[in-house]
Amino acid sequence: QQKVQQSPESLIVPEGAMTSLNCTFSDSASQYFAWYRQHSGKAPKALMSIFSNGEKEEGRFTIHLNKASLHFSLHIRDSQPSDSALYLCAVTVGDNSKLIWGLGTSLVVNP
Amino acid sequence: NSKVIQTPRYLVKGQGQKAKMRCIPEKGHPVVFWYQQNKNNEFKFLINFQNQEVLQQIDMTEKRFSAECPSNSPCSLEIQSSEAGDSALYLCASSLSGSQNTLYFGAGTRLSVL
Repeated sequence: QQKVQQSPESLIVPEGAMTSLNCTFSDSASQYFAWYRQHSGKAPKALMSIFSNGEKEEGRFTIHLNKASLHFSLHIRDSQPSDSALYLCAVTVGDNSKLIWGLGTSLVVNP
Repeated sequence: NSKVIQTPRYLVKGQGQKAKMRCIPEKGHPVVFWYQQNKNNEFKFLINFQNQEVLQQIDMTEKRFSAECPSNSPCSLEIQSSEAGDSALYLCASSLSGSQNTLYFGAGTRLSVL
């Protein structure tokens, strides 16, 4: 069964810190990798996505993908209290028509 | 703010009752997904549509769950006979072209089955 695992389950960081969130996947044929953020009681919202190995940066957010190690990550520079949310990673599997999701990392950024 | 509109926000049903929820996808998005998010944050895929046609659905959906996305009407998800285990947040999302594209989610319908 295809799996996506996130670590850590929860994380508390001070304002201004660099935050790193991890996602491992089991399907080496996966082609699409995405991070979503869900504030409490709100709709999940896409943050960033990537198709190929390497790094992609948008503002304070950077995504890394290493297909060989079946790992991708999200890094948040200068974390803000407004970044406090559930972070979900998602990966396409099978014929890449289906997304599977991790259970999320709950991030709290203390002011 | 999300342009995917889900109604109602909250739904309370007794066991065995029907539960129906609706979703208006973002304008111009032909692909619609339904997910169930349980209290452990687990996202369970239920069904997706492209225009009015079912693309994929899971076995659970085929038994007690039904869904449709008629043209010019909201999409809907209905649970024929609610069970306590169906209590969850039901999320609708729309996309321009399927799973390898950004999904735009609604705020969800929180179903409580008493």
